[in-house]
Amino acid sequence: KAGVTQTPRYLIKTRGQQVTLSCSPISGHRSVSWYQQTPGQGLQFLFEYFSETQRNKGNFPGRFSGRQFSNSRSEMNVSTLELGDSALYLCASSLTSGSGYEQYFGPGTRLTVT
Amino acid sequence: GQQVMQIPQYQHVQEGEDFTTYCNSSTTLSNIQWYKQRPGGHPVFLIQLVKSGEVKKQKRLTFQFGEAKKNSSLHITATQTTDVGTYFCAASSGSARQLTFGSGTQLTVLP
Repeated sequence: KAGVTQTPRYLIKTRGQQVTLSCSPISGHRSVSWYQQTPGQGLQFLFEYFSETQRNKGNFPGRFSGRQFSNSRSEMNVSTLELGDSALYLCASSLTSGSGYEQYFGPGTRLTVT
Repeated sequence: GQQVMQIPQYQHVQEGEDFTTYCNSSTTLSNIQWYKQRPGGHPVFLIQLVKSGEVKKQKRLTFQFGEAKKNSSLHITATQTTDVGTYFCAASSGSARQLTFGSGTQLTVLP
């Protein structure tokens, strides 16, 4: 079974621009969660989507948004990029929504904001 | 929001020595999961604990969930260079639907 895929793997953007990251979950998985990983803050939860609905949201500004499509693929958008948005963005899929399910992480998208 | 404290932040051991990382919460946890992230890689699920006092073993790895469900530990016996990486705990409590990750313990194994 193919794993979680994320595109692009690397991205360099300029302050003020916007960016869209994509995540394709494992086939049959309906929940997709997004995380931001930085050396200083660790793994921080952004949001979770299940059946095209946002189920949970972390403590991030409204510049961070996402959506999920009917095939469970998910996109994350960050508008008006700031230097502090430089991070590894990880998506994780799980069979269904809820904290009791194993999460399968993708390889991540490394975003650098200059 | 819920916080999960993980210690130590870094641990250097000689190959063959044991290693332990701890996660602590001030609130009762519903469940706790452990993940391993190799350098340059992504987190990989290791195990989930849900019952008070639960102990699970995977070869040289032993996972424990405290009796009060407020703490957990991961112990590696006789570390090998393949154990290098960052170990994260992730937990949820109460009505929280998402996992909160600990800050991780970065393990270095010296040959």
